Amino acid sequence: NAGVMQNPRHLVRRRGQEARLRCSPVKGHSHVYWYRQLPEEGLKFMVYLQKENIIDESGMPKERFSAEFPKEGPSILRIQQVVRGDSAAYFCASSPLEGNEQFFGPGTRLTVL
Amino acid sequence: QQQVKQSPQSLIVQKGGISIINCAYENTAFDYFPWYQQFPGKGPALLIAIRPDVSEKKEGRFTISFNKSAKQFSLHIMDSQPGDSATYFCAADTGTASKLTFGTGTRLQVTL
Repeated sequence: NAGVMQNPRHLVRRRGQEARLRCSPVKGHSHVYWYRQLPEEGLKFMVYLQKENIIDESGMPKERFSAEFPKEGPSILRIQQVVRGDSAAYFCASSPLEGNEQFFGPGTRLTVL
Repeated sequence: QQQVKQSPQSLIVQKGGISIINCAYENTAFDYFPWYQQFPGKGPALLIAIRPDVSEKKEGRFTISFNKSAKQFSLHIMDSQPGDSATYFCAADTGTASKLTFGTGTRLQVTL
């Protein structure tokens, strides 16, 4: 009974490259959330998706960041032209159709050189 | 605008003692208040959660106290153990399957 899976666990990119982070929710969960955690800070909401739909992207930077949750396959958080300030831990969470409980993955730690 | 304020930032408690972490919120639309535990290099794990219709919820050594009029809630860890050493985050949410607003975290260290 696998929980939320994220890969890669660690990702190193040079400034200007693209970062692609993947999240497979708990089986049967149709809601996916992405959060960003800067060092020594709490998690900040970025985006909330259901299958093939973006429900709330109010926490997502307007430029360079995008997210998708296709009908088949994992959710993807994409960061184009990364900058040093994008270095953080990115967590994905999922929840079932109803209910607030969110289950978090182990995170992807992005380092931008 | 920080909607959930958490204190203290760090806490040192002796083994067997009581750890108390406090949170205050501003948005009266919040109706779900979970606490998460995070170990270094890991994702947050749900510890215990409460809704505003009750003032207290207890699960094992962990208790949430909730004061709706004061817009405050707290986590009490009884008989704290070294294995409880972690960072604890309070959070708040509105509606169903919405988005969590997190506090800034409390780093708890339980000493022998």
